[in-house]
Amino acid sequence: EADIYQTPRYLVIGTGKKITLECSQTMGHDKMYWYQQDPGMELHLIHYSYGVNSTEKGDLSSESTVSRIRTEHFPLTLESARPSHTSQYLCASSATGGNTEAFFGQGTRLTVV
Amino acid sequence: QKEVEQDPGPLSVPEGAIVSLNCTYSNSAFQYFMWYRQYSRKGPELLMYTYSSGNKEDGRFTAQVDKSSKYISLFIRDSQPSDSATYLCAMSPSGTYKYIFGTGTRLKVLA
Repeated sequence: EADIYQTPRYLVIGTGKKITLECSQTMGHDKMYWYQQDPGMELHLIHYSYGVNSTEKGDLSSESTVSRIRTEHFPLTLESARPSHTSQYLCASSATGGNTEAFFGQGTRLTVV
Repeated sequence: QKEVEQDPGPLSVPEGAIVSLNCTYSNSAFQYFMWYRQYSRKGPELLMYTYSSGNKEDGRFTAQVDKSSKYISLFIRDSQPSDSATYLCAMSPSGTYKYIFGTGTRLKVLA
């Protein structure tokens, strides 16, 4: 079982609020990712990190930001939530040293009203 | 055209059936192939991971990769109601961060 944790699992929040989605892993993985998943759609990469102080935007444009101050922690922040941000957000990590499989957290289901 | 194509289903089968789930892809650079199982309102759980072509077996699950046809499959033997979930294929070129996912196939195993 993968040791990657996301909090909160569910969040309902009003438009304009600032939110931070937490993601932590205890596997010592250097690579971490944030994906967005909508029903019936493939996962879209919105941010990734190769290691501490390394963050890049993914393929899907997103108004969120991320930080990687510690290896195990990769929080995602929305400065001003909008209804269009309603989605499932999935955090993942993978080991360094060539391609290896990605392990996912349980996800945060965000609803902006 | 999407890089990875996967039939969304839903696929309904009776308990005990052999299930075949498939993905096709267009990028010949893909070297790593994964299958994930995702239950409703949960994160994807890694089932199988293979490198390049060939077969890999783990219990009731067998993953096949045919790089010449750009086609991968996941077989589930003796399917159980607990196998009811969405199955996602994913693949990655060598030496990059990038994982490309299919849209997932919804499977229902009827008791």
